[in-house]
Amino acid sequence: KAGVTQTPRYLIKTRGQQVTLSCSPISGHRSVSWYQQTPGQGLQFLFEYFSETQRNKGNFPGRFSGRQFSNSRSEMNVSTLELGDSALYLCASSLTGGPTEAFFGQGSRLTVV
Amino acid sequence: AQRVTQPEKLLSVFKGAPVELKCNYSYSGSPELFWYVQYSRQRLQLLLRHISRESIKGFTADLNKGETSFHLKKPFAQEEDSAMYYCALSRGAQKLVFGQGTRLTINP
Repeated sequence: KAGVTQTPRYLIKTRGQQVTLSCSPISGHRSVSWYQQTPGQGLQFLFEYFSETQRNKGNFPGRFSGRQFSNSRSEMNVSTLELGDSALYLCASSLTGGPTEAFFGQGSRLTVV
Repeated sequence: AQRVTQPEKLLSVFKGAPVELKCNYSYSGSPELFWYVQYSRQRLQLLLRHISRESIKGFTADLNKGETSFHLKKPFAQEEDSAMYYCALSRGAQKLVFGQGTRLTINP
C-alpha cells in the first residue's frame, strides 16, 4: 500500500511569506502528526490531528497552524516566515494515534531566504 | 517534562564489533519507548518498540525503568547498520519526543 506522501518535497520562500505543506496519510490512518527537523533542535513535535480535530500541540508559536480534512489528509501552514523556519517538515500517520508506531513521510524541505 | 537524551552524537565501530547506542529518558509515568532509524536518503522508520520485545535486524533494546534507559544493542555490527538512530518516547498519545539522534558509522 502507498506510504505517507508529502508535497511539495522542496520549496524556497522569502521572509514574511507564508507556506502550506500537504500530507496524505496511509489509507485508513486517521491520525496525522507533524514534526520539524533542524540540525540544531532535532525532531520537534508540532501538532497532531485525529478525525479533523487537533488533539496535541507542541511548543511552537501561533504562526504554525494545521488542519485535517475528512479524508484524513492534513495541511500545515506557516505564516510570516522567518529564517529560522528553514527545516525539514515531517508528517507521520498512524491508525488511531494511540501508542503505536508512526509511519513517516519523506518530508518537505523548506528554505527561507 | 518528558525528555529523551542520547549522549553520543557520533558513534563509530568496526564491522563485527558490538554496538550499543545509549538512550536515557525522563518521564514520571509509564512510557512507550521506540527506536527509529533513518538510512541515507530514506525516510525515518520504526526499528523497534519496547513493548514488543523483539529483535529487528539483530538489534534489541531493553527498558530499564530503574536506570530510565532504553539502550539499543547489536552483538555484531554490519556495514548496512550505518545510519542515524533516534530514541523516542510516547506518553500514550501520538506525540513522540525524540532524542537528538546518534549517527552510527560502521567501518569495514
